Amino acid sequence: AQSVTQLGSHVSVSEGALVLLRCNYSSSVPPYLFWYVQYPNQGLQLLLKYTSAATLVKGINGFEAEFKKSETSFHLTKPSAHMSDAAEYFCAVTEGWNFVFGPGTRLSVLP
Amino acid sequence: DADVTQTPRNRITKTGKRIMLECSQTKGHDRMYWYRQDPGLGLRLIYYSFDVKDINKGEISDGYSVSRQAQAKFSLSLESAIPNQTALYFCATGGSEDTQYFGPGTRLTVL
Repeated sequence: AQSVTQLGSHVSVSEGALVLLRCNYSSSVPPYLFWYVQYPNQGLQLLLKYTSAATLVKGINGFEAEFKKSETSFHLTKPSAHMSDAAEYFCAVTEGWNFVFGPGTRLSVLP
Repeated sequence: DADVTQTPRNRITKTGKRIMLECSQTKGHDRMYWYRQDPGLGLRLIYYSFDVKDINKGEISDGYSVSRQAQAKFSLSLESAIPNQTALYFCATGGSEDTQYFGPGTRLTVL
């Protein structure tokens, strides 16, 4: 069975600084990978997804993620954090038609 | 109008009560899911349905039941609610691609 780990349950960055949120998955077979964002009191919104077309995936709001098979990783980055990026971020991997989610990383952006 | 809706958005109930959470979707998707979200645990799958006649238990189905009344409707019931079922509950749908689309969530408190 798949498992997903997200290093750091809470990450704080200054406005304008690089955002790096880490995600590692367990399977040796490249699955489909996703990042979702959850703003306070809202549902999950798709940020980006990897479906084997390209290892560097660009998403909404300036985020991107790079799939590295050798490291079984799919880390999320954004060059310059904005206050509006404060939210919880979830990495997910497919297992058949189902998803396995990581525990989430809460991103705080400091002025 | 939202593609995936959940009712109620908030509910407070007492131990032992039966409660139903409802989910409706206008995306025309066959696959529907129920998850619960707890702090630090991410989203865990309760039940999923690939069509009206196909319902499957997820990771944490004990204490829950579901009904797929139509392609567009998928309800989650707690037969006898207990305090550790206090959580945020999400419904999601999935179509021909792999992405899942989430409702806004129902915050359930069991006293």
